[in-house]
Amino acid sequence: QQPVQSPQAVILREGEDAVINCSSSKALYSVHWYRQKHGEAPVFLMILLKGGEQKGHEKISASFNEKKQQSSLYLTASQLSYSGTYFCGTDYRGNTGKLIFGQGTTLQVKP
Amino acid sequence: EAQVTQNPRYLITVTGKKLTVTCSQNMNHEYMSWYRQDPGLGLRQIYYSMNVEVTDKGDVPEGYKVSRKEKRNFPLILESPSPNQTSLYFCASSSSLRADTQYFGPGTRLTVL
Repeated sequence: QQPVQSPQAVILREGEDAVINCSSSKALYSVHWYRQKHGEAPVFLMILLKGGEQKGHEKISASFNEKKQQSSLYLTASQLSYSGTYFCGTDYRGNTGKLIFGQGTTLQVKP
Repeated sequence: EAQVTQNPRYLITVTGKKLTVTCSQNMNHEYMSWYRQDPGLGLRQIYYSMNVEVTDKGDVPEGYKVSRKEKRNFPLILESPSPNQTSLYFCASSSSLRADTQYFGPGTRLTVL
């Protein structure tokens, strides 16, 4: 039931792009994306709802493919500040409050 | 300042000694939730609350209790802690999980010996 994130880890140079995927074996109602820096609490990035539009946040955007039960997070022209662990949280039932998170993708951006 | 606070931030205790981790938010949020984070396992939801007096189990509720008597507070209770509950715990709140930011507290690192 836990969504699967891929890749598990990625190393980039500043300015490069990355894609992080979150795949589910069950139909999704919404997908939440968070970033966590080492030693800190997770920080909300965006929510994608079933039937909703692709979201964007600075140079970070995401899509939600309901048929494939998958969401992808796109990091464009990565900056050093993008380093951290990215988590997707999945909601299978719609506004019930229950969230199941993936295992995380560690992103390291080097100068 | 809008925030979620947790206390204590660090705690070392022994097996079987009851403890409570407090969580408080000042944003008048209806939704609150507790998570534990362990290496390689990501965040796992323990309990959540959609409103006062309404709580429900997350993915890993065994060994934990919660209560929501007031909107701002959502304490996590470990009645008889065991070493497998050693973890990093986060409390979070949101006005609406469907469409709004979920704010996380700073975390409580618990060690059960």
